[in-house]
Amino acid sequence: KAGVTQTPRYLIKTRGQQVTLSCSPISGHRSVSWYQQTPGQGLQFLFEYFSETQRNKGNFPGRFSGRQFSNSRSEMNVSTLELGDSALYLCASSLTASQETQYFGPGTRLLVL
Amino acid sequence: AQSVSQHNHHVILSEAASLELGCNYSYGGTVNLFWYVQYPGQHLQLLLKYFSGDPLVKGIKGFEAEFIKSKFSFNLRKPSVQWSDTAEYFCAVKRGSTLGRLYFGRGTQLTVWP
Repeated sequence: KAGVTQTPRYLIKTRGQQVTLSCSPISGHRSVSWYQQTPGQGLQFLFEYFSETQRNKGNFPGRFSGRQFSNSRSEMNVSTLELGDSALYLCASSLTASQETQYFGPGTRLLVL
Repeated sequence: AQSVSQHNHHVILSEAASLELGCNYSYGGTVNLFWYVQYPGQHLQLLLKYFSGDPLVKGIKGFEAEFIKSKFSFNLRKPSVQWSDTAEYFCAVKRGSTLGRLYFGRGTQLTVWP
């Protein structure tokens, strides 16, 4: 089975722009979670989707949003980018949203200039 | 608020030394516990997990962890490390009621010298 894939792998944007990141979960997995990883804050939870519904949201501003499609693929969007949004954005998938292991993708490294 | 503490930020060992990385969490209810590893240039991989049952769990590559409920701890151990174990190790906790949300510790960078 193919693992979690994320596109693009690297991205450079400037302040004020917006960006959309994509995540394809492992086949059959219906839950997708997003995390932000930075040297200063570590791994922080952004949100989680299950069956196209957002089930959980972390403490991030409204500039961060996401969605999930009927095929379980997910996108996250960051509007009005700030320098502090530079990070590795990780997507994780699991079979359901309950007692399951999350499997992580390679991440999208975003640099905001 | 849920917090996960990893006591060591950076651990340096020689090959064949024993390893123990500490992890404590602050939530008192039912938890699922995980250790993930991130090798240089690679993505997060699951090392081992605890959901229920035997509190001593074995993972890949000779790693094991012990869940001590009374101490809110889930420490990672390996009797003899190898150079290839050089990586960053993350402890993560999922509360029984919060579906897919994982709370991560800040990570421990392990460097093993040959």
